[in-house]
Amino acid sequence: AQSVTQLDSQVPVFEEAPVELRCNYSSSVSVYLFWYVQYPNQGLQLLLKYLSGSTLVKGINGFEAEFNKSQTSFHLRKPSVHISDTAEYFCAVSVAGGGNKLTFGTGTQLKVEL
Amino acid sequence: GAVVSQHPSRVICKSGTSVKIECRSLDFQATTMFWYRQFPKKSLMLMATSNEGSKATYEQGVEKDKFLINHASLTLSTLTVTSAHPEDSSFYICSARARIDSNQPQHFGDGTRLSIL
Repeated sequence: AQSVTQLDSQVPVFEEAPVELRCNYSSSVSVYLFWYVQYPNQGLQLLLKYLSGSTLVKGINGFEAEFNKSQTSFHLRKPSVHISDTAEYFCAVSVAGGGNKLTFGTGTQLKVEL
Repeated sequence: GAVVSQHPSRVICKSGTSVKIECRSLDFQATTMFWYRQFPKKSLMLMATSNEGSKATYEQGVEKDKFLINHASLTLSTLTVTSAHPEDSSFYICSARARIDSNQPQHFGDGTRLSIL
Protein backbone atom coordinates (compact mmCIF):
# COMPACT_ATOMS: atom_id res chain seq x y z
CA ALA A 1 0.00 0.00 0.00
CA GLN A 2 1.03 3.56 -0.56
CA SER A 3 1.06 6.39 1.94
CA VAL A 4 1.70 10.11 1.80
CA THR A 5 3.01 12.29 4.60
CA GLN A 6 2.67 16.04 4.69
CA LEU A 7 4.47 17.00 7.85
CA ASP A 8 3.35 20.63 7.94
CA SER A 9 -0.33 21.13 8.65
CA GLN A 10 0.02 24.91 8.38
CA VAL A 11 2.60 27.12 6.70
CA PRO A 12 2.38 30.88 7.23
CA VAL A 13 4.40 33.03 4.87
CA PHE A 14 4.59 36.68 3.92
CA GLU A 15 3.60 37.80 0.46
CA GLU A 16 6.43 37.72 -2.12
CA ALA A 17 8.45 35.33 0.04
CA PRO A 18 9.42 31.86 -1.22
CA VAL A 19 7.64 28.80 0.11
CA GLU A 20 8.22 25.05 0.19
CA LEU A 21 5.50 22.57 1.11
CA ARG A 22 6.88 19.18 2.01
CA CYS A 23 5.62 15.82 0.84
CA ASN A 24 7.08 12.39 1.44
CA TYR A 25 5.64 9.13 0.20
CA SER A 26 6.02 5.45 0.83
CA SER A 27 5.56 2.76 -1.80
CA SER A 28 7.12 -0.54 -2.80
CA VAL A 29 6.28 0.02 -6.46
CA SER A 30 6.64 2.83 -8.99
CA VAL A 31 4.29 5.71 -8.43
CA TYR A 32 2.90 8.82 -10.02
CA LEU A 33 2.87 11.95 -7.86
CA PHE A 34 0.49 14.89 -7.83
CA TRP A 35 -0.09 18.19 -6.10
CA TYR A 36 -3.61 19.58 -5.86
CA VAL A 37 -4.88 22.88 -4.47
CA GLN A 38 -8.25 23.34 -2.78
CA TYR A 39 -9.83 26.73 -2.20
CA PRO A 40 -12.55 27.04 0.48
CA ASN A 41 -15.70 25.08 -0.31
CA GLN A 42 -14.40 23.97 -3.65
CA GLY A 43 -13.07 20.79 -5.20
CA LEU A 44 -9.46 20.12 -6.04
CA GLN A 45 -7.48 21.65 -8.89
CA LEU A 46 -4.43 19.92 -10.29
CA LEU A 47 -1.28 22.00 -9.86
CA LEU A 48 1.22 19.59 -11.36
CA LYS A 49 2.07 15.92 -11.76
CA TYR A 50 5.09 13.70 -12.08
CA LEU A 51 4.75 10.58 -14.19
CA SER A 52 8.25 9.99 -15.52
CA GLY A 53 11.17 11.82 -17.11
CA SER A 54 12.55 15.07 -15.77
CA THR A 55 12.42 15.15 -12.00
CA LEU A 56 11.66 18.88 -11.94
CA VAL A 57 8.05 19.47 -12.81
CA LYS A 58 6.55 22.86 -13.50
CA GLY A 59 2.88 23.50 -12.92
CA ILE A 60 0.32 26.23 -12.98
CA ASN A 61 0.40 29.47 -11.00
CA GLY A 62 4.20 29.48 -10.85
CA PHE A 63 4.52 26.33 -8.75
CA GLU A 64 7.08 23.62 -9.31
CA ALA A 65 7.99 20.36 -7.60
CA GLU A 66 11.00 18.08 -7.63
CA PHE A 67 10.77 14.31 -7.48
CA ASN A 68 13.55 12.82 -5.38
CA LYS A 69 13.45 9.05 -5.51
CA SER A 70 16.22 8.44 -3.01
CA GLN A 71 14.50 10.61 -0.42
CA THR A 72 11.00 9.57 -1.53
CA SER A 73 9.99 13.20 -1.62
CA PHE A 74 8.02 15.48 -3.89
CA HIS A 75 8.23 18.92 -2.32
CA LEU A 76 6.27 21.81 -3.81
CA ARG A 77 7.91 25.21 -4.21
CA LYS A 78 7.12 28.70 -5.35
CA PRO A 79 9.75 31.47 -5.42
CA SER A 80 7.32 34.30 -4.61
CA VAL A 81 3.84 33.77 -3.21
CA HIS A 82 0.78 35.93 -3.57
CA ILE A 83 -2.19 36.46 -1.31
CA SER A 84 -4.29 34.47 -3.77
CA ASP A 85 -2.14 31.38 -3.10
CA THR A 86 -3.77 31.04 0.31
CA ALA A 87 -5.42 27.62 0.15
CA GLU A 88 -5.12 23.97 1.19
CA TYR A 89 -2.55 21.95 -0.72
CA PHE A 90 -2.70 18.18 -1.05
CA CYS A 91 0.01 15.84 -2.18
CA ALA A 92 -1.21 12.58 -3.69
CA VAL A 93 0.25 9.36 -5.05
CA SER A 94 -1.04 6.63 -7.32
CA VAL A 95 0.49 3.37 -8.40
CA ALA A 96 1.96 3.66 -11.87
CA GLY A 97 -0.39 1.83 -14.20
CA GLY A 98 -2.61 0.94 -11.26
CA GLY A 99 -5.89 2.43 -12.32
CA ASN A 100 -5.30 5.94 -11.06
CA LYS A 101 -6.60 5.41 -7.50
CA LEU A 102 -5.21 8.33 -5.50
CA THR A 103 -3.94 8.28 -1.94
CA PHE A 104 -3.88 11.76 -0.43
CA GLY A 105 -1.81 13.32 2.28
CA THR A 106 -3.48 15.18 5.10
CA GLY A 107 -2.97 18.55 3.46
CA THR A 108 -1.03 21.72 4.22
CA GLN A 109 -2.80 25.01 4.80
CA LEU A 110 -0.77 27.77 3.16
CA LYS A 111 -1.59 31.16 4.61
CA VAL A 112 -0.06 34.12 2.84
CA GLU A 113 0.06 37.31 4.87
CA LEU A 114 0.74 40.90 3.92
CA GLY B 1 -9.82 21.98 -20.12
CA ALA B 2 -11.73 19.11 -18.60
CA VAL B 3 -14.67 20.31 -16.52
CA VAL B 4 -16.55 18.33 -13.91
CA SER B 5 -19.81 19.70 -12.60
CA GLN B 6 -21.24 18.57 -9.29
CA HIS B 7 -24.78 19.32 -8.15
CA PRO B 8 -26.08 20.43 -5.74
CA SER B 9 -23.30 22.46 -4.15
CA ARG B 10 -25.06 22.48 -0.81
CA VAL B 11 -27.98 20.56 0.64
CA ILE B 12 -29.65 20.56 4.01
CA CYS B 13 -32.21 17.91 4.81
CA LYS B 14 -33.89 16.10 7.63
CA SER B 15 -32.64 12.91 9.14
CA GLY B 16 -34.05 9.83 7.44
CA THR B 17 -34.35 11.30 3.95
CA SER B 18 -32.31 10.23 0.92
CA VAL B 19 -30.13 12.66 -0.96
CA LYS B 20 -28.84 12.32 -4.51
CA ILE B 21 -25.67 14.06 -5.69
CA GLU B 22 -24.85 14.28 -9.38
CA CYS B 23 -21.43 14.38 -10.98
CA ARG B 24 -21.17 15.27 -14.65
CA SER B 25 -18.21 15.49 -17.01
CA LEU B 26 -19.12 18.39 -19.27
CA ASP B 27 -16.60 18.23 -22.07
CA PHE B 28 -15.21 14.72 -21.99
CA GLN B 29 -16.34 11.15 -21.57
CA ALA B 30 -15.50 9.76 -18.17
CA THR B 31 -14.89 6.02 -18.14
CA THR B 32 -14.16 6.18 -14.44
CA MET B 33 -15.50 8.40 -11.70
CA PHE B 34 -14.45 8.52 -8.08
CA TRP B 35 -16.37 9.57 -4.99
CA TYR B 36 -14.59 11.05 -1.99
CA ARG B 37 -15.63 12.21 1.42
CA GLN B 38 -13.81 14.98 3.23
CA PHE B 39 -14.19 15.73 6.91
CA PRO B 40 -13.39 19.21 8.28
CA LYS B 41 -9.66 19.91 8.33
CA LYS B 42 -9.03 16.42 6.98
CA SER B 43 -7.87 14.81 3.80
CA LEU B 44 -10.01 13.18 1.15
CA MET B 45 -11.12 9.63 1.77
CA LEU B 46 -11.92 7.55 -1.28
CA MET B 47 -15.35 5.97 -0.92
CA ALA B 48 -15.77 4.16 -4.21
CA THR B 49 -14.65 3.88 -7.80
CA SER B 50 -17.35 3.88 -10.44
CA ASN B 51 -16.88 2.52 -13.96
CA GLU B 52 -19.44 3.23 -16.63
CA GLY B 53 -21.84 0.35 -17.10
CA SER B 54 -20.61 -1.74 -14.19
CA LYS B 55 -21.01 -1.93 -10.44
CA ALA B 56 -19.02 0.43 -8.29
CA THR B 57 -16.07 -0.81 -6.28
CA TYR B 58 -16.32 0.32 -2.67
CA GLU B 59 -13.44 0.91 -0.31
CA GLN B 60 -13.22 -1.06 2.89
CA GLY B 61 -15.54 0.26 5.55
CA VAL B 62 -17.90 2.06 3.18
CA GLU B 63 -21.46 0.74 3.31
CA LYS B 64 -22.70 -0.17 -0.16
CA ASP B 65 -26.35 -0.02 0.83
CA LYS B 66 -25.89 3.34 2.48
CA PHE B 67 -24.05 5.04 -0.37
CA LEU B 68 -25.56 3.98 -3.67
CA ILE B 69 -23.52 4.79 -6.74
CA ASN B 70 -24.77 4.69 -10.31
CA HIS B 71 -22.68 5.38 -13.40
CA ALA B 72 -25.21 4.93 -16.15
CA SER B 73 -23.51 6.97 -18.85
CA LEU B 74 -20.06 8.21 -19.78
CA THR B 75 -20.90 11.69 -18.52
CA LEU B 76 -22.93 11.09 -15.36
CA SER B 77 -22.45 9.36 -12.04
CA THR B 78 -24.72 9.75 -9.03
CA LEU B 79 -24.21 9.16 -5.33
CA THR B 80 -27.32 8.60 -3.25
CA VAL B 81 -27.02 8.79 0.51
CA THR B 82 -29.91 6.68 1.74
CA SER B 83 -31.70 7.27 5.02
CA ALA B 84 -29.23 10.00 5.89
CA HIS B 85 -28.30 10.71 9.49
CA PRO B 86 -26.34 13.55 11.11
CA GLU B 87 -23.12 11.50 11.03
CA ASP B 88 -23.39 11.47 7.22
CA SER B 89 -22.93 15.23 7.19
CA SER B 90 -19.77 15.95 5.26
CA PHE B 91 -18.25 17.42 2.11
CA TYR B 92 -18.58 14.98 -0.78
CA ILE B 93 -16.39 15.40 -3.85
CA CYS B 94 -16.44 13.53 -7.14
CA SER B 95 -13.74 13.27 -9.74
CA ALA B 96 -13.63 11.91 -13.26
CA ARG B 97 -10.98 10.48 -15.50
CA ALA B 98 -11.17 10.62 -19.27
CA ARG B 99 -9.68 7.30 -20.27
CA ILE B 100 -8.57 4.00 -18.88
CA ASP B 101 -4.98 5.17 -19.33
CA SER B 102 -3.90 5.96 -15.80
CA ASN B 103 -1.64 8.73 -17.00
CA GLN B 104 -4.72 10.88 -17.27
CA PRO B 105 -5.23 12.92 -14.10
CA GLN B 106 -8.50 13.05 -12.21
CA HIS B 107 -10.58 16.19 -12.64
CA PHE B 108 -12.56 17.19 -9.59
CA GLY B 109 -15.98 18.70 -9.10
CA ASP B 110 -16.52 21.57 -6.68
CA GLY B 111 -18.01 19.33 -4.03
CA THR B 112 -21.35 19.06 -2.21
CA ARG B 113 -21.76 20.21 1.36
CA LEU B 114 -24.29 17.85 2.93
CA SER B 115 -25.85 18.79 6.25
CA ILE B 116 -28.29 16.43 7.93
CA LEU B 117 -30.41 17.91 10.70
